[in-house]
Amino acid sequence: DSGVTQTPKHLITATGQRVTLRCSPRSGDLSVYWYQQSLDQGLQFLIQYYNGEERAKGNILERFSAQQFPDLHSELNLSSLELGDSALYFCASSVVGATEAFFGQGTRLTVV
Amino acid sequence: AQKITQTQPGMFVQEKEAVTLDCTYDTSDQSYGLFWYKQPSSGEMIFLIYQGSYDEQNATEGRYSLNFQKARKSANLVISASQLGDSAMYFCAMRRTSGTYKYIFGTGTRLKVLA
Repeated sequence: DSGVTQTPKHLITATGQRVTLRCSPRSGDLSVYWYQQSLDQGLQFLIQYYNGEERAKGNILERFSAQQFPDLHSELNLSSLELGDSALYFCASSVVGATEAFFGQGTRLTVV
Repeated sequence: AQKITQTQPGMFVQEKEAVTLDCTYDTSDQSYGLFWYKQPSSGEMIFLIYQGSYDEQNATEGRYSLNFQKARKSANLVISASQLGDSAMYFCAMRRTSGTYKYIFGTGTRLKVLA
């Protein structure tokens, strides 16, 4: 158990809909990262938050947004969903200046 | 820009033998970290090993070791005494140690351990 909790584990929704993925980082970790992993592909960095503020942005679509709340949990909002958004979405957390990031178990999103 | 390259889409290894998974990286930073993660079929990402760019000795964690060759910009993962449970996807990753801390991942190598 990495200590990073993601909910839900599985999500099936229709095209055009909006979903929210939730992440609770490890206790004490201020940095949260979101990654997208499409089928048989590597992890694409979406966005990073540090202590509530956006720190880095990757290839995140305009239809996607994220935020980190004062209690440090983070949410990734995906709207106007398309079939191609079907993927495994990971959240990871780390202590700034530390080494490894710890990953949650991911949310598998299926858009039908 | 940082980049991680894993040129082996798939590898086979006999149980109890050692295997090396290749990883090369590109960065203009002097200070950075290199990581390996394992992703079994269940999907979770499991941290295996870390090497800092200024570490003079190769990192080791149990049966995992990282063969770090800075001049060649390579960070190969060596798994000794392979086990059936080692069958998984393996990702090499890099992170800067200043500024933004995002992790950049390679495309992965799928390892299959044969009985």
